[in-house]
Parts: sequence; structure tokens; C-alpha cells
Amino acid sequence: AQSVTQLDSQVPVFEEAPVELRCNYSSSVSVYLFWYVQYPNQGLQLLLKYLSGSTLVESINGFEAEFNKSQTSFHLRKPSVHISDTAEYFCAVRVIVAGGTSYGKLTFGQGTILTVHP
Amino acid sequence: GAVVSQHPSWVICKSGTSVKIECRSLDFQATTMFWYRQFPKQSLMLMATSNEGSKATYEQGVEKDKFLINHASLTLSTLTVTSAHPEDSSFYICSAAKTSRDTQYFGPGTRLTVL
Repeated sequence: AQSVTQLDSQVPVFEEAPVELRCNYSSSVSVYLFWYVQYPNQGLQLLLKYLSGSTLVESINGFEAEFNKSQTSFHLRKPSVHISDTAEYFCAVRVIVAGGTSYGKLTFGQGTILTVHP
Repeated sequence: GAVVSQHPSWVICKSGTSVKIECRSLDFQATTMFWYRQFPKQSLMLMATSNEGSKATYEQGVEKDKFLINHASLTLSTLTVTSAHPEDSSFYICSAAKTSRDTQYFGPGTRLTVL
């Protein structure tokens, strides 16, 4: 079975400060890794994902995450946050089964609420 | 593109009644839809996976007779909470994917309150 741990339930920061949202996972098999964002009163949106290749992945709005296999981590970072980044962020994994295919079930972490203050 | 809607966005019902929640993929055909439940300050927990035209696959501990899932078309899945009780009050979220291996797109969720 897989599990995902987001160590920080809430992260308050000031605008233009850097931020890191931590995510660690546990799995006996290889996984794909995802970060989702949920803005108030909206559904989850895919922010970025790691499937293969470069361990550093980026989103279109300045977030990046680095897959660290030895530490089983996939921390999310942004060098300078905006008020509009205030949201809840979920880390998730998806199992890779034999042959490189992936079963669709997502296992989520508990979520981290990022609050950006002016 | 890739918009998923849910209806209703919130519902209040009396204990013992049944409630149906709809999940629609508005601009793509979804062979696979997923139903999640989210408790306050907790993560999303997968309840079941449904493939169009076949029976849903329920996660361990989820009562299939209580949470009826129907995926009769490539754009619509429904979750019916039968004989609802206060402990069924929760936030129910669906997601849809073109296939089980593709990216899931999430609906905005439905807040169910059972009195």
C-alpha cells in the first residue's frame, strides 16, 4: 500500500517570500507523483506531475517540485509567492504497475493550506 | 478544456432519505470516473472507481449497497447515498479521466449534510 505525508497542515508566508511545501511518500513499488491545488470553492486542479525523466518539474505559474527517490520526497517550492497562491495544496501518488502502465487510483496526502499575507 | 461539473454543489437532507449526486465531464468523454470523500481537515479518500458500462470497483471498507454508483454514459456518473445518516455528512468529490491511466480532472465537490 502507498501513503503520502504532508508534514505541514498550514504554512503562512508573506507575499514575495519563498515557500516550500513538504511531501514524503511510502510505496513498495514505483509511483508517479503529483501536486494538486484547490482554490476556495473550486475543484482540485493539477499543478504539476513527475512521470519520468528530469527529476525537477515546473508549473506554468512558477512552482517547481523535485523528485528525490532516495529520500522518497517530492517537495513543492516557489521562490516568490503571490496573494493569489493562497490555496490548499495536495500531494498525491499513483502506482506504476508492470509494463510501465499506471493504475488510475490516486493516494493523497492530508493537504497543506498555504496562506499568503500582504 | 477538461471541465468536470457536479450537481448539486450542496444538499441538506433528512436522515433515512436517499441523495443522488451527479458528476459530468463537460468537454471530453470519460471512460473512468472516480468518487472521493473528504472529511474536514483530512485528505481525499477514494471510495470507488467506475468504468463506463461496467460495475464500479469499491475500495475496502466502502459499502457498495449504501453508496450506489452508476456510470451509464461517457459523460455522466452518479453517486446515490441510500438511507443517509448524519455520519454520511461529508464533502463528496468526483474526478473523470479519458482512461484509467490518464490525468484525472476533478469536479468542485458536493457538500452533503444529513440532519
